[in-house]
Amino acid sequence: QSALTQPPSASGSPGQSVTISCTGTSSDVGGYNYVSWYQQHPGKAPKLMIYEVSERPSGVPDRFSGSKSGNTASLTVSGLQAEDEADYYCSSYAGSNKGLFGTGTKVTVL
Amino acid sequence: QVQLVQSGSELKKPGASVKVSCKASGYTFTSYGMNWVRQAPGQGLEWMGWINTNTGNPTYAQGFTGRFVFSLDTSVSTAYLQISSLKAEDTAVYYCAREPKHFDYWGQGTLVTVSS
Repeated sequence: QSALTQPPSASGSPGQSVTISCTGTSSDVGGYNYVSWYQQHPGKAPKLMIYEVSERPSGVPDRFSGSKSGNTASLTVSGLQAEDEADYYCSSYAGSNKGLFGTGTKVTVL
Repeated sequence: QVQLVQSGSELKKPGASVKVSCKASGYTFTSYGMNWVRQAPGQGLEWMGWINTNTGNPTYAQGFTGRFVFSLDTSVSTAYLQISSLKAEDTAVYYCAREPKHFDYWGQGTLVTVSS
């Protein structure tokens, strides 16, 4: 199974919004509401930011939101802050107890 | 609080084996599955598979069959990843992560370096 497709990079100025897409197929993103998003700072373990398409774990700021349409999921970071600069990965359940990650997007705060 | 603590960095020669541990605390170990994720230097995350901590049944992703083995010791709430016949391209950080459909807690990662 191929990785989910994400843009390599995205950027925005402080206070602006940035949206990252995650494109899969009807066998993964489009087939299940089990899309999640992870933030990873250099040298650190990934951190769960969104699960089940649009749910936020406790402690994650509401500036982070998720959505899905068809085979494409999206993560939006509103009111960009310097600490949001990181790599972001989507993930989806792909059936038969299998998972899949996206290719990753580097978010730069200008 | 939930914690996953992994074993330390390893330096191995090609052809050797390595066993990475992931000790869980702060929750009932057998209530959540355990996943393994690989991240090669400068690369993205790759889902390697997961193990059902209730039944011990492993599921491996494509590309992670044969040399990769997931196992458990439920008496000490620990999951293991063993890699045999190591190759240079196995050099990576390996993470354990809780749950089968999204990964809510992660270990700190274990760097495995394969070099002669």
